[in-house]
Amino acid sequence: DGGITQSPKYLFRKEGQNVTLSCEQNLNHDAMYWYRQDPGQGLRLIYYSQIVNDFQKGDIAEGYSVSREKKESFPLTVTSAQKNPTAFYLCASSPPLIGPLGDTEAFFGQGTRLTVV
Amino acid sequence: DQQVKQNSPSLSVQEGRISILNCDYTNSMFDYFLWYKKYPAEGPTFLISISSIKDKNEDGRFTVFLNKSAKHLSLHIVPSQPGDSAVYFCAASDRLTDSWGKLQFGAGTQVVVTP
Repeated sequence: DGGITQSPKYLFRKEGQNVTLSCEQNLNHDAMYWYRQDPGQGLRLIYYSQIVNDFQKGDIAEGYSVSREKKESFPLTVTSAQKNPTAFYLCASSPPLIGPLGDTEAFFGQGTRLTVV
Repeated sequence: DQQVKQNSPSLSVQEGRISILNCDYTNSMFDYFLWYKKYPAEGPTFLISISSIKDKNEDGRFTVFLNKSAKHLSLHIVPSQPGDSAVYFCAASDRLTDSWGKLQFGAGTQVVVTP
């Protein structure tokens, strides 16, 4: 089945440690995204990538890093510089628009719950 | 500064009645709007969308209305069913600037459908 796979589903990290969240998609989508969800807040964009070997910061990129070496994979590293890393992290991908004003939607993975202990 | 706002954090509705969820936006460049449904500990799933050239889009029990002059959209669910109990996110896109579907999300509205 085509889709987006995030792993692990739950992750615990000690303060001061870096941790990497995995995101793999087999939808053949060019664009991939990382969002963070906190209680009472919407999804906030961390990083996004439109093509392999290229990515841009989103609204809350500080303390995070990403790579896009393969079209299918967009891992997110939560570094020790991220002050409040405990959150629900969502990876998404989207196909290119058909024409400049085509319809599009983002497809989401099941999420990773990261807890700092 | 949040560009997409859902001012009602929660909504309780009786089964069979209509659920109306509201969403306001501030960026006049947004031209495409989506609603997502999310269950706890799962990723959001796409529900329905509307382009700014339309004022209404309907899909089964779900209808989205767009009022561009007021920068307001709403999602109507009728009739509401117990399985509709979830968090609903409004999202917006500026397809000319962010042509790859980068979305701005509201804070979400928790819908509870009671028997």
